[in-house]
Formats: sequence, C-alpha cells, structure tokens
Amino acid sequence: SAVISQKPSRDICQRGTSLTIQCQVDSQVTMMFWYRQQPGQSLTLIATANQGSEATYESGFVIDKFPISRPNLTFSTLTVSNMSPEDSSIYLCSAGSNYGYTFGSGTRLTVV
Amino acid sequence: KNEVEQSPQNLTAQEGEFITINCSYSVGISALHWLQQHPGGGIVSLFMLSSGKKKHGRLIATINIQEKHSSLHITASHPRDSAVYICAVHGNQFYFGTGTSLTVIP
Repeated sequence: SAVISQKPSRDICQRGTSLTIQCQVDSQVTMMFWYRQQPGQSLTLIATANQGSEATYESGFVIDKFPISRPNLTFSTLTVSNMSPEDSSIYLCSAGSNYGYTFGSGTRLTVV
Repeated sequence: KNEVEQSPQNLTAQEGEFITINCSYSVGISALHWLQQHPGGGIVSLFMLSSGKKKHGRLIATINIQEKHSSLHITASHPRDSAVYICAVHGNQFYFGTGTSLTVIP
C-alpha cells in the first residue's frame, strides 16, 4: 500500500487566517480524499480530490471554505480558509486505488 | 442509521487482558480498515482487510464478508494500547465508525 506523509501534524491558528494541509503519497494513486473529525465525532468526508479538475465536495462543504488542489497523482492540499474556532478539528487525507487505501496521520488544528 | 456500527463505545481493561472490538456494517464494501487514533489525534492505519484474518504482533483482525462483521483483537493488552480504535469501510465511498475508546490500566 502507498505511504502518505501529511503535514503539518498540528497547528494553532488565529481566527480569520487560513491553513494549508499537504498530503504527499510515495506512489501514484487514483483517488485522494479529505476528511474532518470534529471533537467527539466520527470522521466525515469533506471532498474527493480529483487530479486535473475541481474537487467533488460533500453536502455541507464548499470550495470557498475548503479549497483543494491536486496537481498530480501523488500530491494534494486542503486549505481551511477564514478560520473560526468551529474549524478546530482533525483533518485527515487518504489515498489509494482499487488495490487498497491508506491514511495520513492527521492534522490537529486549533483555532483561537 | 449509521452505515458502520462499533461496539463497545468505551472499554476499560486490566493490563494483560484479551480485548475484542466489534464492527458491523450495512453497505457493500471492497475493504475494511482498522485505524488507531492516539490521544494527540495522530492516526495510524492498523489493518486493511477484504477477507479472512490478519495478524500483526499482538493485534489480530478478522472479517466475515457474509455477515458484514469484523473484529479487532488485542492479546496481552498493555497501557500503550490505550487509544481510540476506528473501523472504516470502503464501499462507493468511505464510511467511518464512531470509534471505541480503549483504556488499559496497569
């Protein structure tokens, strides 16, 4: 299975600022996803990162708030824009293909 | 209704005990994952299963596709096993369980 390097592992940010989270995969993968885990809740899919085209967002998530890039088959970024304390969560990427999926180690974001 | 149900939600065990965490799902899947989330939030992928059984050290994961059920076993539990264990299934998308919070007491 692919190995994912997710950065940063944690950050504390001021409200109104933006944070970009990166996921680098050690091999080319078909699919990449971004998830959020709010405190005390399970992981929720934010969007599917599509290579060379706009991401596909789940209900309740919009591109202006969570812009996603996927310039190639091994890399993706998620930006949390104009942050508020409600954005304090763990953000997680996963990547893979029909042969299997792996997960990043997560980014713990605290907005103050 | 959640597509993935885990039990128990919380579990406290004495060091050395054998632990079982269960996961049931209601969707068709191509694979099931067990994830370990540490208190700081970091997530480690423990197993990916599509059939049968896998073992890694003191951890064993099994899956019964017909019954749509998986179990994660920890043998000779240790305080460092204390974490949240999350079951995730991959069907047409990923679905996640709410996690089982495990505390192992010395």
